[in-house]
Amino acid sequence: GAVVSQHPSWVICKSGTSVKIECRSLDFQATTMFWYRQFPKQSLMLMATSNEGSKATYEQGVEKDKFLINHASLTLSTLTVTSAHPEDSSFYICSASPGIQGGTGELFFGEGSRLTVL
Amino acid sequence: AQSVAQPEDQVNVAEGNPLTVKCTYSVSGNPYLFWYVQYPNRGLQFLLKYITGDNLVKGSYGFEAEFNKSQTSFHLKKPSALVSDSALYFCAVRDKAGRRALTFGSGTRLQVQP
Repeated sequence: GAVVSQHPSWVICKSGTSVKIECRSLDFQATTMFWYRQFPKQSLMLMATSNEGSKATYEQGVEKDKFLINHASLTLSTLTVTSAHPEDSSFYICSASPGIQGGTGELFFGEGSRLTVL
Repeated sequence: AQSVAQPEDQVNVAEGNPLTVKCTYSVSGNPYLFWYVQYPNRGLQFLLKYITGDNLVKGSYGFEAEFNKSQTSFHLKKPSALVSDSALYFCAVRDKAGRRALTFGSGTRLQVQP
């Protein structure tokens, strides 16, 4: 299957600092990527849809000024958690799909990034 | 709005026994259904999907799932469980006419005992 790479896998930061997480599609181009957030022992919640060359589409309740998404190329999307606070600590996972395929294609996921804000 | 329900938080099964992880869905129109597995501190790995055609779908690692339109279910099955199958399993749905993001169920932890 297609490969999605996410970096870093683990990050610890101090409260008030910003953290950037990268998501790359290694062997395909992705005009759209998705960012999910997963709390311990809970499901994945869609945060936003990252669109190459345009603004991201955020889900209701997600602060776009806190979670900045940039999709500057067809293989890279970044999520920046600005002015991080302990409640932002979570597991962030990105995903992408090679091509539209009429919507039948499965999403491929990165390995996730665990953010801990002290 | 589309939704997915996984009624069991955890399923316990002995190694070598068949396993079933339940999933029901709600969408407008015909669904695209998916199963993923997640190991600790890892991303999700794709197991199988139902788009159209045969109701019984075969996937990776010996898993299969049966699509039942009348019961709006898409249960994951495996004839003989392995200890290494122990993980967190997620059912997901995409509305055929909707966007490409997936909506996930709450997850079911599968524990296979030796």
